[in-house]
Amino acid sequence: DAKTTQPNSMESNEEEPVHLPCNHSTISGTDYIHWYRQLPSQGPEYVIHGLTSNVNNRMASLAIAEDRKSSTLILHRATLRDAAVYYCILEGNTPLVFGKGTRLSVIA
Amino acid sequence: EAQVTQNPRYLITVTGKKLTVTCSQNMNHEYMSWYRQDPGLGLRQIYYSMNVEVTDKGDVPEGYKVSRKEKRNFPLILESPSPNQTSLYFCASSFLLRGNSPLHFGNGTRLTVT
Repeated sequence: DAKTTQPNSMESNEEEPVHLPCNHSTISGTDYIHWYRQLPSQGPEYVIHGLTSNVNNRMASLAIAEDRKSSTLILHRATLRDAAVYYCILEGNTPLVFGKGTRLSVIA
Repeated sequence: EAQVTQNPRYLITVTGKKLTVTCSQNMNHEYMSWYRQDPGLGLRQIYYSMNVEVTDKGDVPEGYKVSRKEKRNFPLILESPSPNQTSLYFCASSFLLRGNSPLHFGNGTRLTVT
């Protein structure tokens, strides 16, 4: 199964943009890239996903490298409520496998 | 409201006493899955089901059983719980539309086995 690599933790100031990186150098041509986040004391929630093109939704933007070996989740203006663990996951022909994610801290 | 409902939210039990954690979804999802979450280990999949009467092992199935007799329900059964099964458990569901069906998670069940 294709794996992803994310930094263990990142920090951001409130109201500033945050770029969360994810490397997936062994991605196959048909793997989707998904991002989920887990707020404290809650189950994970879907954020965004994409295949080849960049994607935008009300929560975030997803920038996918041209070779698809990396992607970046962009939170345009971090708020304290965005403090969470963010998971980058590849969806291939097997169920989603969650790694350890990136713990994002937001400083007021 | 579309949701995945787990019960109970908290459970304390003793070694060897059989227990069941229930999971129900009201979205007509084909796919359902159980995960456990432990500090430093992230979310690990226990079992999953692609549809009624179809179940498969995930990464850490030992000590657990599941059943999928109805589409909406996917109970997790611990026949003889042990302390190493103390964990936070999540149930999730989705449609089988690959790439276009996000997973919906329940609020979790915190299990303590003494």
